[in-house]
Amino acid sequence: AQSVTQPDIHITVSEGASLELRCNYSYGATPYLFWYVQSPGQGLQLLLKYFSGDTLVQGIKGFEAEFKRSQSSFNLRKPSVHWSDAAEYFCAVAPGGWGKLQFGAGTQVVVTP
Amino acid sequence: DAGVIQSPRHEVTEMGQEVTLRCKPISGHNSLFWYRQTMMRGLELLIYFNNNVPIDDSGMPEDRFSAKMPNASFSTLKIQPSEPRDSAVYFCASTYSYGTGHGELFFGEGSRLTVL
Repeated sequence: AQSVTQPDIHITVSEGASLELRCNYSYGATPYLFWYVQSPGQGLQLLLKYFSGDTLVQGIKGFEAEFKRSQSSFNLRKPSVHWSDAAEYFCAVAPGGWGKLQFGAGTQVVVTP
Repeated sequence: DAGVIQSPRHEVTEMGQEVTLRCKPISGHNSLFWYRQTMMRGLELLIYFNNNVPIDDSGMPEDRFSAKMPNASFSTLKIQPSEPRDSAVYFCASTYSYGTGHGELFFGEGSRLTVL
């Protein structure tokens, strides 16, 4: 079955430390890939997306993600987190390029002083 | 520029009542999506429209749910009758779709529905 998996439900990281959020997908072909962030009580904001080309994608707020076809992964990274990065992060895929966007279960990130 | 506008932001109603959620997409966008977010099921796509036409409503839970898009600047999601298990945050999102893809989805701030 087609799916997108975020293995980590919850991550705690110290301010200034690096952050990596994992995302794996299961589809017949490489879908379009996205990372969204949701702050409490807010809608979702796009951090970055991958359609094709360079497998290292730069996004907003200092985030980047790397697409690895061999591992069916699209992990999100940030070298140094800020307290304002505390939020829930969703990986999403759009099989076939457009249409339905399927979201992972999300990873809650807590940033400690 | 105004983003996707949803109303109401919060709705508390009693079981059996009709609920109507509203969405105004970003001007110029031609695709609109309704999502539901719950703790148990995460974010689920309910229905999406392209050029005001429903393209896929396979995510609509049951006949109690209906959605309309009478014009490019307005959509509604109606639940009649409502049940406690419908309690969730309902998001509307819009984008511009072209032949083989679409741009970034812009989400509204959501409508939090509580059915007692």
